[in-house]
Amino acid sequence: NAGVTQTPKFQVLKTGQSMTLQCAQDMNHNSMYWYRQDPGMGLRLIYYSASEGTTDKGEVPNGYNVSRLNKREFSLRLESAAPSQTSVYFCASSELGVWEKLFFGSGTQLSVL
Amino acid sequence: KNQVEQSPQSLIILEGKNCTLQCNYTVSPFSNLRWYKQDTGRGPVSLTIMTFSENTKSNGRYTATLDADTKQSSLHITASQLSDSASYICVVSAQAGTALIFGKGTTLSVSS
Repeated sequence: NAGVTQTPKFQVLKTGQSMTLQCAQDMNHNSMYWYRQDPGMGLRLIYYSASEGTTDKGEVPNGYNVSRLNKREFSLRLESAAPSQTSVYFCASSELGVWEKLFFGSGTQLSVL
Repeated sequence: KNQVEQSPQSLIILEGKNCTLQCNYTVSPFSNLRWYKQDTGRGPVSLTIMTFSENTKSNGRYTATLDADTKQSSLHITASQLSDSASYICVVSAQAGTALIFGKGTTLSVSS
């Protein structure tokens, strides 16, 4: 049982480049989330998908887009990367909603130069 | 403003000793409070979830307490082990919407 799988684990981009972070869960969860974690700050919600076919903005959505490809997969896209997007990105899932236990992936460390 | 404050910011203890981490919150209306453990380079892993009606919840050597009246929680670790070295994050869920408010975490180092 892999849980939540994120790819890639590390990525270095130049300013202006684009990339997509992939996330997949095998727990048949309905809700999926993307968070970023910056030094000295708590995790912040970027986007979430309450169920397949729906997506909504979180606390810090600017500069990002998401796609809930199917029930298993939820991707995060940076269209034009900026140094301010240097961070560690975590995908998470829960069975029905954020009030339940979240299961996190192991993270993607992204550096934008 | 909804906030979660954790103390201390960091802590160093000897293997085998006990320790207590603190969490104060101002989130309202309150739904539940969670403690997560995050190892270096890994994602957070849930330790406990408590609703406002629960005062104590244990998970092995980890015991969380909640005082909903004073809006305080603590995580007590008994007989610490080297593997307890990690960041411990307090997270409070508000009743409405998708709001999860994360604390900045307490970094615990257990030395031999």
